Parts: sequence; C-alpha cells; structure tokens
Amino acid sequence: SQTIHQWPATLVQPVGSPLSLECTVEGTSNPNLYWYRQAAGRGLQLLFYSVGIGQISSEVPQNLSASRPQDRQFILSSKKLLLSDSGFYLCAWRGTTNNEQFFGPGTRLTVL
Amino acid sequence: RKEVEQDPGPFNVPEGATVAFNCTYSNSASQSFFWYRQDCRKEPKLLMSVYSSGNEDGRFTAQLNRASQYISLLIRDSKLSDSATYLCVVKTVRGSTLGRLYFGRGTQLTVWP
Repeated sequence: SQTIHQWPATLVQPVGSPLSLECTVEGTSNPNLYWYRQAAGRGLQLLFYSVGIGQISSEVPQNLSASRPQDRQFILSSKKLLLSDSGFYLCAWRGTTNNEQFFGPGTRLTVL
Repeated sequence: RKEVEQDPGPFNVPEGATVAFNCTYSNSASQSFFWYRQDCRKEPKLLMSVYSSGNEDGRFTAQLNRASQYISLLIRDSKLSDSATYLCVVKTVRGSTLGRLYFGRGTQLTVWP
C-alpha cells in the first residue's frame, strides 16, 4: 500500500533563515505530488505540483521553491523565511481511482 | 468569488443527532467532488467521493446537484468521534493546468455527549 512521509513534524525558525521540508512517497511510481500550505483559520492553498522528476509548476508566486530530485521525493525550500511563511505544510500524492489526493502528516512551521 | 464555499459553523450537536453540511462551487465544469475530514492539527483525510447519483457509506450520505452546483454531506446518528472539520473539495480543470483540487475552508462539527 502507498504511504507518504514528511519531516520534520514541527519546526521553529527565525525570520531570514533557510528552509527545507522533505516529502517521500512509498508504494507507487511516478506519482503526481503536491505541496499545500494551510495558514491558521484558512483553507488549503496549493503551492506547487509536480508530474515527474525535475518538473515543477508553481501556483502562487512567493518566497518558496520546490524541487523533485527523485521520482518519490518532493522538497520545499526557502532561502529566507518570512513571518508570513508560518503555517501547516502538507504534501500530497494523487490517487488513480477518482483523482483524489492523499496527504502526508504535515509539517507545522512557526517563523519567529 | 471563491471556487468552493462552505458554512464554517461551528455546528454543535448531541450524540445521535443528524447533521447536514452544504457546499457550493463556482465552476460548472468541475468534474469530481469529495468530502475530507480534518482532525485538529492533523492532515485532511478522504472521507468519501461524491457521485452524481448520490452515495452512502454507513452513516454518511453525500449528494451532488450539478444544476445548482451544490454538494451536501449528511451524518446520521452522530458519534463523539465525528467531531472534526469537514472540507468540501472540488476538482476542476482550467486551461492548460492539470485538474487541480479546490478546498473549502471547512465546516467545524462538535458532537457532545
């Protein structure tokens, strides 16, 4: 069965510091992968999606970037964090039954 | 106009009650519809897909009205463990973008003993 992992689970970082969040998927090959952010009291915002290695599409211009160095690995990065980057970051992969998406456990990021 | 709109609640109901959530979507070309459940400080989890003819999974019933662009979720015989936020989700294809999911902000449900 497919599983999706994210780390770290929680992170507290100062403004201006770099960021690297990792997501890996097991049990499937060539998945479509997604990064979302959920700010406090708000809905999920799609940040990036990837249909394959090295292929990244950005949905919203911002302070973040994404990379997909391997088939089942998706990384979210920033060179300099802003206070507004705080939130709950979720990685997801797309299922094949009905195009539903399945989420990892998320990383809760607090920028101080 | 938001892609997906939901009543944020909160809904506070006693155990055993029946509760219904509604959701509207703005794009008539939307193709797939889902309800997700999100517990506090956890990731959203797929509760059920919503099919045109309506579908049921145990105590949960989902309905879709394409003409009115309206989706509903009915929970019968509420349990304490049903307390969560319920997200209405719609899949839409726009231009050259692959079909993507649009999430409502969620409806918060609390079931009390």
